[in-house]
Amino acid sequence: EADIYQTPRYLVIGTGKKITLECSQTMGHDKMYWYQQDPGMELHLIHYSYGVNSTEKGDLSSESTVSRIRTEHFPLTLESARPSHTSQYLCASSDTGGGAFFGQGTRLTVV
Amino acid sequence: AQSVAQPEDQVNVAEGNPLTVKCTYSVSGNPYLFWYVQYPNRGLQFLLKYITGDNLVKGSYGFEAEFNKSQTSFHLKKPSALVSDSALYFCAVIPMGSARQLTFGSGTQLTVLP
Repeated sequence: EADIYQTPRYLVIGTGKKITLECSQTMGHDKMYWYQQDPGMELHLIHYSYGVNSTEKGDLSSESTVSRIRTEHFPLTLESARPSHTSQYLCASSDTGGGAFFGQGTRLTVV
Repeated sequence: AQSVAQPEDQVNVAEGNPLTVKCTYSVSGNPYLFWYVQYPNRGLQFLLKYITGDNLVKGSYGFEAEFNKSQTSFHLKKPSALVSDSALYFCAVIPMGSARQLTFGSGTQLTVLP
């Protein structure tokens, strides 16, 4: 079934740990995005990709990095997590029509 | 650069009354416009979109939105609100035919009172 998946849904880790948030989509979309969102607040674009080997930083500065080695996979990595990284991270993909499909999100807590 | 404005952080409406969530946009060229809804502890869900054609578009859960090019607006509406409509609503825009990413508004918290 065509969809977009994020894992894990919830993650609690200690300061200084390296983490990777996974995002995969089965719709063959070229464009993928990562958004950061504090609860009930607006979305901030932190990374986007227009295709394989294409990644760009978004509007909000982020210490995270992304990679796009395969069309369907767009993982986000934090090399050394800090409490300020505590947030919800939403992954999305879109086709040429522009409508984006979102994953369920990963709620990250850094203690 | 494109931008989206949702002028109201919070909208309260009584159940059964009509609701409107406002959205205005700024973009070069013709836009694609979208509404998304986010329920508590959930991801964003697509509600409806305007690409071309009829200015009044109908979407999920009885919602509709009207594209007004002269006012650069895309307000979300529903004739009769339900308590279950209470959620966070986001408007988004992308220039037609562009490779640019979606730009979201800041969101409007809709509360439907019983």
